Amino acid sequence: GQQVMQIPQYQHVQEGEDFTTYCNSSTTLSNIQWYKQRPGGHPVFLIQLVKSGEVKKQKRLTFQFGEAKKNSSLHITATQTTDVGTYFCAGPPSGTYKYIFGTGTRLKVLA
Amino acid sequence: DGGITQSPKYLFRKEGQNVTLSCEQNLNHDAMYWYRQDPGQGLRLIYYSQIVNDFQKGDIAEGYSVSREKKESFPLTVTSAQKNPTAFYLCATGDRYNYGYTFGSGTRLTVV
Repeated sequence: GQQVMQIPQYQHVQEGEDFTTYCNSSTTLSNIQWYKQRPGGHPVFLIQLVKSGEVKKQKRLTFQFGEAKKNSSLHITATQTTDVGTYFCAGPPSGTYKYIFGTGTRLKVLA
Repeated sequence: DGGITQSPKYLFRKEGQNVTLSCEQNLNHDAMYWYRQDPGQGLRLIYYSQIVNDFQKGDIAEGYSVSREKKESFPLTVTSAQKNPTAFYLCATGDRYNYGYTFGSGTRLTVV
């Protein structure tokens, strides 16, 4: 079936280090969304990318959608303790409207 | 949270019982979704509804049932047929542009 995998599954970084999570889909996606879930909380929508090769920035966060629209990445520059949580990507296979969520990357930031 | 209310926050169920989880929204969104999240895992789609009086099975619908009699409400019933119901259940809504789901704060269901 259609799958969206994220790597790494876990990542521990020292505060101030950079962090990147990668999202890979088995099928072409119409768009890609990113969510953040704090420990004990619920996912919160961060951003959506639609165009092939699109890059968007939100302060220290940089999001990229691959040229083939099958992969995406989220890069955090100079992590802070407030970045702790699990980051999910999600996207609908082309021709559908049902979003498939990635497996998530859990980030821990050590002060 | 964010216009979506899930209740209760914590729920304990005895073996063999049916329980219903509530999800109410005031965002005027057409689409509503139920996801299940197991510890350290991603989100798996149980059921979704694009319009009132219509709903579709997701990837793990067995042992669950839903109704969508009102635009604002999308309750989920966890039946006794669901063999491993202990999980975190999340309700979400989406607008017609599908520009990001809004999630409720979730219900943690435990079988005792």
